[in-house]
Amino acid sequence: GESVGLHLPTLSVQEGDNSIINCAYSNSASDYFIWYKQESGKGPQFIIDIRSNMDKRQGQRVTVLLNKTVKHLSLQIAATQPGDSAVYFCAENGGSGNTGKLIFGQGTTLQVKP
Amino acid sequence: GAGVSQSPRYKVAKRGQDVALRCDPISGHVSLFWYQQALGQGPEFLTYFQNEAQLDKSGLPSDRFFAERPEGSVSTLKIQRTQQEDSAVYLCASSLVGNQPQHFGDGTRLSIL
Repeated sequence: GESVGLHLPTLSVQEGDNSIINCAYSNSASDYFIWYKQESGKGPQFIIDIRSNMDKRQGQRVTVLLNKTVKHLSLQIAATQPGDSAVYFCAENGGSGNTGKLIFGQGTTLQVKP
Repeated sequence: GAGVSQSPRYKVAKRGQDVALRCDPISGHVSLFWYQQALGQGPEFLTYFQNEAQLDKSGLPSDRFFAERPEGSVSTLKIQRTQQEDSAVYLCASSLVGNQPQHFGDGTRLSIL
Protein backbone atom coordinates (compact mmCIF):
# COMPACT_ATOMS: atom_id res chain seq x y z
CA GLY A 1 0.00 0.00 0.00
CA GLU A 2 0.92 3.65 0.01
CA SER A 3 3.41 4.68 2.62
CA VAL A 4 5.58 7.56 3.59
CA GLY A 5 8.44 6.52 5.79
CA LEU A 6 11.36 8.04 7.62
CA HIS A 7 14.81 6.48 7.73
CA LEU A 8 15.67 7.35 11.33
CA PRO A 9 13.23 7.42 14.21
CA THR A 10 15.49 9.64 16.37
CA LEU A 11 18.12 12.19 15.43
CA SER A 12 20.36 13.75 18.04
CA VAL A 13 22.44 16.81 17.12
CA GLN A 14 24.55 19.39 18.88
CA GLU A 15 23.21 22.92 19.15
CA GLY A 16 24.54 24.97 16.26
CA ASP A 17 25.04 22.01 13.95
CA ASN A 18 22.98 21.42 10.84
CA SER A 19 20.27 18.73 10.92
CA ILE A 20 19.08 16.58 8.05
CA ILE A 21 15.87 14.60 8.32
CA ASN A 22 15.13 12.14 5.55
CA CYS A 23 11.91 10.72 4.20
CA ALA A 24 11.09 8.12 1.56
CA TYR A 25 7.75 8.11 -0.21
CA SER A 26 6.26 5.35 -2.29
CA ASN A 27 3.51 6.99 -4.34
CA SER A 28 5.05 8.24 -7.58
CA ALA A 29 1.82 10.14 -8.31
CA SER A 30 2.38 12.47 -5.35
CA ASP A 31 3.04 16.01 -6.51
CA TYR A 32 2.85 17.95 -3.26
CA PHE A 33 4.99 17.40 -0.18
CA ILE A 34 5.03 19.12 3.14
CA TRP A 35 7.03 19.09 6.37
CA TYR A 36 5.50 19.58 9.79
CA LYS A 37 6.97 20.05 13.25
CA GLN A 38 5.01 18.73 16.19
CA GLU A 39 5.76 19.58 19.80
CA SER A 40 4.32 17.59 22.67
CA GLY A 41 0.66 18.34 23.25
CA LYS A 42 0.34 20.51 20.16
CA GLY A 43 -0.85 20.07 16.62
CA PRO A 44 1.50 19.79 13.65
CA GLN A 45 3.00 23.13 12.68
CA PHE A 46 3.66 23.88 9.01
CA ILE A 47 7.34 24.31 8.20
CA ILE A 48 7.74 24.25 4.43
CA ASP A 49 6.22 22.65 1.35
CA ILE A 50 7.39 21.78 -2.14
CA ARG A 51 5.69 20.78 -5.34
CA SER A 52 6.94 18.17 -7.75
CA ASN A 53 8.00 20.73 -10.36
CA MET A 54 10.76 21.87 -7.99
CA ASP A 55 13.86 20.15 -6.60
CA LYS A 56 14.66 22.55 -3.82
CA ARG A 57 12.94 25.19 -1.77
CA GLN A 58 14.36 27.36 0.97
CA GLY A 59 12.77 29.03 3.94
CA GLN A 60 14.12 30.65 7.03
CA ARG A 61 16.88 28.29 8.27
CA VAL A 62 15.18 25.38 6.48
CA THR A 63 15.62 23.79 3.08
CA VAL A 64 13.59 21.01 1.54
CA LEU A 65 15.07 18.83 -1.18
CA LEU A 66 13.03 16.59 -3.43
CA ASN A 67 14.52 13.78 -5.47
CA LYS A 68 11.74 12.31 -7.59
CA THR A 69 14.02 9.75 -9.21
CA VAL A 70 14.49 7.88 -5.96
CA LYS A 71 11.34 9.22 -4.28
CA HIS A 72 13.23 10.88 -1.48
CA LEU A 73 12.53 14.02 0.50
CA SER A 74 14.76 15.71 3.04
CA LEU A 75 14.51 18.61 5.45
CA GLN A 76 17.66 20.51 6.33
CA ILE A 77 17.72 22.76 9.37
CA ALA A 78 20.64 25.16 9.63
CA ALA A 79 22.19 26.09 12.96
CA THR A 80 19.88 23.86 14.95
CA GLN A 81 18.57 25.40 18.15
CA PRO A 82 17.08 23.84 21.31
CA GLY A 83 13.68 25.15 20.20
CA ASP A 84 13.91 22.91 17.15
CA SER A 85 13.55 19.82 19.36
CA ALA A 86 10.32 18.14 18.30
CA VAL A 87 8.92 15.37 16.13
CA TYR A 88 9.12 16.08 12.41
CA PHE A 89 6.70 14.58 9.89
CA CYS A 90 6.83 14.52 6.15
CA ALA A 91 3.59 14.14 4.24
CA GLU A 92 2.53 13.62 0.63
CA ASN A 93 -0.74 14.23 -1.16
CA GLY A 94 -0.93 10.99 -3.14
CA GLY A 95 -1.49 12.71 -6.50
CA SER A 96 -2.94 15.86 -8.00
CA GLY A 97 -6.34 14.30 -8.42
CA ASN A 98 -6.50 13.95 -4.68
CA THR A 99 -8.67 16.12 -2.51
CA GLY A 100 -5.56 17.44 -0.82
CA LYS A 101 -5.65 14.95 2.03
CA LEU A 102 -2.21 14.21 3.34
CA ILE A 103 -0.50 10.88 3.95
CA PHE A 104 1.92 11.19 6.86
CA GLY A 105 5.03 9.26 7.72
CA GLN A 106 5.80 7.93 11.17
CA GLY A 107 7.89 10.87 12.29
CA THR A 108 11.48 11.55 13.36
CA THR A 109 12.29 12.86 16.80
CA LEU A 110 14.93 15.58 16.71
CA GLN A 111 16.86 16.07 19.95
CA VAL A 112 19.11 19.11 20.21
CA LYS A 113 21.87 18.88 22.79
CA PRO A 114 23.02 22.19 24.34
CA GLY B 1 -6.50 34.07 17.61
CA ALA B 2 -6.34 33.50 13.89
CA GLY B 3 -5.51 29.80 14.02
CA VAL B 4 -7.59 26.63 13.99
CA SER B 5 -9.40 26.16 17.28
CA GLN B 6 -10.57 22.82 18.63
CA SER B 7 -12.69 22.03 21.65
CA PRO B 8 -12.67 20.43 24.04
CA ARG B 9 -8.91 19.91 24.43
CA TYR B 10 -9.50 16.79 26.49
CA LYS B 11 -12.49 14.49 26.60
CA VAL B 12 -12.97 11.43 28.77
CA ALA B 13 -15.95 9.21 28.07
CA LYS B 14 -17.15 5.80 29.09
CA ARG B 15 -17.36 3.07 26.50
CA GLY B 16 -20.67 3.24 24.73
CA GLN B 17 -21.19 6.98 25.15
CA ASP B 18 -21.47 9.40 22.24
CA VAL B 19 -19.00 12.28 21.89
CA ALA B 20 -18.87 15.42 19.77
CA LEU B 21 -15.68 17.25 18.89
CA ARG B 22 -15.70 20.77 17.49
CA CYS B 23 -13.42 22.53 15.03
CA ASP B 24 -13.32 26.24 14.19
CA PRO B 25 -11.18 26.62 11.05
CA ILE B 26 -9.29 29.68 9.96
CA SER B 27 -11.75 32.25 8.63
CA GLY B 28 -12.15 32.02 4.88
CA HIS B 29 -10.60 28.58 4.52
CA VAL B 30 -12.59 26.49 2.11
CA SER B 31 -11.03 23.11 2.88
CA LEU B 32 -11.35 21.36 6.22
CA PHE B 33 -9.83 18.04 7.20
CA TRP B 34 -10.10 15.70 10.16
CA TYR B 35 -7.26 13.39 11.14
CA GLN B 36 -6.79 10.81 13.86
CA GLN B 37 -3.41 10.50 15.56
CA ALA B 38 -2.54 7.49 17.69
CA LEU B 39 0.24 7.76 20.24
CA GLY B 40 3.64 7.75 18.57
CA GLN B 41 2.18 7.75 15.06
CA GLY B 42 1.61 10.24 12.31
CA PRO B 43 -1.86 11.67 11.72
CA GLU B 44 -4.21 9.56 9.60
CA PHE B 45 -6.83 11.09 7.35
CA LEU B 46 -10.48 10.70 8.31
CA THR B 47 -12.56 13.05 6.18
CA TYR B 48 -12.52 16.20 4.04
CA PHE B 49 -14.93 19.06 3.43
CA GLN B 50 -14.97 21.67 0.72
CA ASN B 51 -17.21 24.34 2.16
CA GLU B 52 -20.24 22.42 3.45
CA ALA B 53 -19.80 19.45 1.12
CA GLN B 54 -18.19 16.33 2.49
CA LEU B 55 -16.21 15.19 -0.52
CA ASP B 56 -14.15 12.41 0.98
CA LYS B 57 -14.94 10.27 3.98
CA SER B 58 -12.85 7.29 3.00
CA GLY B 59 -10.81 7.41 6.21
CA LEU B 60 -13.68 7.15 8.66
CA PRO B 61 -13.07 3.81 10.43
CA SER B 62 -16.71 2.82 10.87
CA ASP B 63 -20.27 4.05 10.56
CA ARG B 64 -20.03 5.14 14.18
CA PHE B 65 -18.04 8.14 12.96
CA PHE B 66 -19.92 11.06 11.48
CA ALA B 67 -18.77 14.55 10.52
CA GLU B 68 -20.61 17.62 9.40
CA ARG B 69 -19.96 21.21 8.41
CA PRO B 70 -23.46 22.55 7.78
CA GLU B 71 -22.62 26.19 7.06
CA GLY B 72 -19.20 25.70 5.57
CA SER B 73 -17.37 26.97 8.62
CA VAL B 74 -17.45 25.16 11.98
CA SER B 75 -17.25 21.39 11.80
CA THR B 76 -18.22 18.70 14.26
CA LEU B 77 -16.90 15.16 14.41
CA LYS B 78 -19.26 12.83 16.22
CA ILE B 79 -18.45 9.36 17.43
CA GLN B 80 -21.33 7.17 18.51
CA ARG B 81 -21.13 4.22 20.89
CA THR B 82 -17.46 4.87 21.59
CA GLN B 83 -15.02 1.99 21.91
CA GLN B 84 -11.64 1.87 23.60
CA GLU B 85 -9.89 1.78 20.23
CA ASP B 86 -11.33 5.23 19.52
CA SER B 87 -8.91 6.68 22.09
CA ALA B 88 -6.60 9.01 20.17
CA VAL B 89 -5.94 12.65 19.40
CA TYR B 90 -8.35 14.05 16.83
CA LEU B 91 -6.85 16.83 14.76
CA CYS B 92 -8.61 19.32 12.58
CA ALA B 93 -6.86 21.22 9.79
CA SER B 94 -7.95 23.85 7.31
CA SER B 95 -6.50 25.26 4.14
CA LEU B 96 -7.45 28.03 1.76
CA VAL B 97 -8.18 25.44 -0.90
CA GLY B 98 -7.08 21.86 -1.51
CA ASN B 99 -3.37 21.15 -2.05
CA GLN B 100 -2.35 24.23 -0.10
CA PRO B 101 -0.64 24.13 3.31
CA GLN B 102 -2.95 22.73 5.93
CA HIS B 103 -2.92 24.47 9.28
CA PHE B 104 -3.70 22.33 12.27
CA GLY B 105 -5.38 22.90 15.58
CA ASP B 106 -3.93 21.46 18.79
CA GLY B 107 -6.41 18.59 18.71
CA THR B 108 -8.80 16.92 21.11
CA ARG B 109 -7.34 14.11 23.17
CA LEU B 110 -10.10 11.53 23.54
CA SER B 111 -9.83 8.83 26.19
CA ILE B 112 -12.41 6.06 26.33
CA LEU B 113 -12.60 4.19 29.63
